[in-house]
Amino acid sequence: AQSVAQPEDQVNVAEGNPLTVKCTYSVSGNPYLFWYVQYPNRGLQFLLKYITGDNLVKGSYGFEAEFNKSQTSFHLKKPSALVSDSALYFCAVRELGSNDMRFGAGTRLTVKP
Amino acid sequence: SAVISQKPSRDICQRGTSLTIQCQVDSQVTMMFWYRQQPGQSLTLIATANQGSEATYESGFVIDKFPISRPNLTFSTLTVSNMSPEDSSIYLCSVESQEGLNIQYFGAGTRLSVL
Repeated sequence: AQSVAQPEDQVNVAEGNPLTVKCTYSVSGNPYLFWYVQYPNRGLQFLLKYITGDNLVKGSYGFEAEFNKSQTSFHLKKPSALVSDSALYFCAVRELGSNDMRFGAGTRLTVKP
Repeated sequence: SAVISQKPSRDICQRGTSLTIQCQVDSQVTMMFWYRQQPGQSLTLIATANQGSEATYESGFVIDKFPISRPNLTFSTLTVSNMSPEDSSIYLCSVESQEGLNIQYFGAGTRLSVL
């Protein structure tokens, strides 16, 4: 069965600095990988996905993520963080042909002015 | 993308009672999902609901406790039955995109507190 790990419960960065939120995954076949963001009292919002093709995928709000098959990672990145990026970020994986999406434990990003 | 409305947005309930959560989608969707997000934790899939068939429950979740209805392609309900404080969670409705994009969209959630 597929699984995903987010090793950091909390990430703190200063506004204007680059940010990285880490994610590693485990699947037996080809992975579909996703990042979602959750703002307080809101549902999850889709940020970006990797299905196939270029390893670097670009998503909403200036976020991007790099698929690394050898390291089984899909880290979320942004070159310059904004205070408004402060939220809870979830990495998710599903296996090709499966409807079962597994979410990581979430990483709380705090961007300080 | 799909616009998903959940009702109620939050509720405080007494132990032993039941609450039905509604999920309305602005377009017809084949698959709808119900998740639970316990305080400070990640999402756990409760069940998958397809129109015209019984919901498929994940390990640890049973129909008697979480009955689901899916009367048409735009609507579903999840009932949390005989509630206890351990059921205090955020319950999220989700749908699969119909554009073949493999994306799931989520409602804003129902924040349930059981006293």
